[in-house]
Amino acid sequence: DTAVSQTPKYLVTQMGNDKSIKCEQNLGHDTMYWYKQDSKKFLKIMFSYNNKELIINETVPNRFSPKSPDKAHLNLHINSLELGDSAVYFCASSQSRTGGYTFGSGTRLTVV
Amino acid sequence: QKEVEQDPGPLSVPEGAIVSLNCTYSNSAFQYFMWYRQYSRKGPELLMYTYSSGNKEDGRFTAQVDKSSKYISLFIRDSQPSDSATYLCAMKRPGNTPLVFGKGTRLSVIA
Repeated sequence: DTAVSQTPKYLVTQMGNDKSIKCEQNLGHDTMYWYKQDSKKFLKIMFSYNNKELIINETVPNRFSPKSPDKAHLNLHINSLELGDSAVYFCASSQSRTGGYTFGSGTRLTVV
Repeated sequence: QKEVEQDPGPLSVPEGAIVSLNCTYSNSAFQYFMWYRQYSRKGPELLMYTYSSGNKEDGRFTAQVDKSSKYISLFIRDSQPSDSATYLCAMKRPGNTPLVFGKGTRLSVIA
């Protein structure tokens, strides 16, 4: 039973399109995150939600909009996709803000 | 200077060797220190978690934190080919702050 699951695993789309990535966790954690991993494998925080409230919003283009309908779900919507958005996007969750993070297996986004 | 510095490697060792992986950091406010392992095309997996300074051991893995030197280490004893992966250090300040990652060190253990 997957603890943090993301869909889709792979996403290939054209520039200018709008796409969404979904994330669900069944660990009962209260905090969820989106990270971006670039081609050099560097992981960078994008957003964090605690109990459905946005608590971290790093310098990310406003084409990226997170949405947390409940504690177990955190989705990421991206408008007007650009070539530079190509990366692997990881969802993660933790119990409280000091717990270790559990990551999903990632969504590999390719913009062509 | 980046907040967290980690030598990207690659590091190649023979099976059975002791592996030492290290990170340095610049922000003295970091209190929580972690090591993650990431296999190719997979998500990072938490290996070790340490609060503040000290050592922690779990099986073949030992994590060390030296806050006075702003230096953390992960030791892997009796390394196995299955340990071949990218190892990422990560650290965090208290409160609503993100986990900050190093760039990862790619390790290959050769049978």
